[in-house]
Amino acid sequence: EAGVAQSPRYKIIEKRQSVAFWCNPISGHATLYWYQQILGQGPKLLIQFQNNGVVDDSQLPKDRFSAERLKGVDSTLKIQPAKLEDSAVYLCASSLGSSGYYEQYFGPGTRLTVT
Amino acid sequence: KQEVTQIPAALSVPEGENLVLNCSFTDSAIYNLQWFRQDPGKGLTSLLLIQSSQREQTSGRLNASLDKSSGRSTLYIAASQPGDSATYLCAGVTQGAQKLVFGQGTRLTINP
Repeated sequence: EAGVAQSPRYKIIEKRQSVAFWCNPISGHATLYWYQQILGQGPKLLIQFQNNGVVDDSQLPKDRFSAERLKGVDSTLKIQPAKLEDSAVYLCASSLGSSGYYEQYFGPGTRLTVT
Repeated sequence: KQEVTQIPAALSVPEGENLVLNCSFTDSAIYNLQWFRQDPGKGLTSLLLIQSSQREQTSGRLNASLDKSSGRSTLYIAASQPGDSATYLCAGVTQGAQKLVFGQGTRLTINP
């Protein structure tokens, strides 16, 4: 079974530029998550999708971050404009359902450096 | 609001020792608790998932326990090996929020 795929793996941009990350979840997984992990901290949930609808985006900085999951499969996370404090690893995860009962499976992450 | 704490932030032990990593949480209405491993520059690998009705789970040299009443979980690693060196994260899902809340992790180094 293929795991969660993410690209790119690394990205370096200057502040005020824009950037986009892509995630392909495990086949058949209805729920997709984006997390932000700042160095030395645990991941923080940014947004959760159930199929192509948003379940929770309470911690997404909506003035600069946006995410979509068209057709309920792949997802993209965009930052525009980027700030220095956005430097982090962005992790995508997926699960069969949105209930906490279901185990989440994580991708390798995208390491973003904003200079 | 659920808060998850892992102490210590870093731990270094000689190879072969048995060790325990600690995780504490503030909301005892926990749905499940998951332990992850993270290698440098990599994503998260799930090690063990304990449902609220369970008290422990075992996989190979790893054993995780859950005590909801005291708000604690432990990950026991037997006969540690240099390949166990990584950051270990615990995360809990509360029945209300239905989302994973992570601790900050314990960076483990096993010295040959």
